[in-house]
Amino acid sequence: DAKTTQPTSMDCAEGRAANLPCNHSTISGNEYVYWYRQIHSQGPQYIIHGLKNNETNEMASLIITEDRKSSTLILPHATLRDTAVYYCIVNSGGSNYKLTFGKGTLLTVNP
Amino acid sequence: DTGVSQDPRHKITKRGQNVTFRCDPISEHNRLYWYRQTLGQGPEFLTYFQNEAQLEKSRLLSDRFSAERPKGSFSTLEIQRTEQGDSAMYLCASSLTFDTQYFGPGTRLTVL
Repeated sequence: DAKTTQPTSMDCAEGRAANLPCNHSTISGNEYVYWYRQIHSQGPQYIIHGLKNNETNEMASLIITEDRKSSTLILPHATLRDTAVYYCIVNSGGSNYKLTFGKGTLLTVNP
Repeated sequence: DTGVSQDPRHKITKRGQNVTFRCDPISEHNRLYWYRQTLGQGPEFLTYFQNEAQLEKSRLLSDRFSAERPKGSFSTLEIQRTEQGDSAMYLCASSLTFDTQYFGPGTRLTVL
């Protein structure tokens, strides 16, 4: 799987949009970008994934650059409950089912 | 709540004892995964089941570790002769397809 690079930590004010970047410059054509988050002492929670088009669901939006070398996860109106470690993972799926987690980005939402 | 449950949520044991954890996946999911997470690190893959067949084991899974998934439903992870280095969060995940894995709350193991 391609390696990802994320900032170690970020801060965001409650109610504002949180934009979490991820670099994956060695991504292959068949690899998806996944985002999971992990709230303290809980299991990881799936957020969203995409291949090359931008994606949106009830939790977040995923913006993937045209060259697919980076992406941004957007939480449109961050709340205190969004404080968590956010993991960006590149995975081709299929027979490559192992998710490779890095250290992620600790997002702290401040009141 | 993702629908994946794990039991127990916390386990404290003494070095040398055996422990067993259970994972109940989402009922229609035929794929089940175990991961381990130590403090400050992301989860690391341990093993994978498709139905009752264990198709892959990580090198992290030493001979003291064994996992089963009888009848392709719940799964157990047993650690024999626990060591202090086994202290970690053990996470179970399940999926219907290969794209999205849903994780349980984890079992936190502390080996004294």
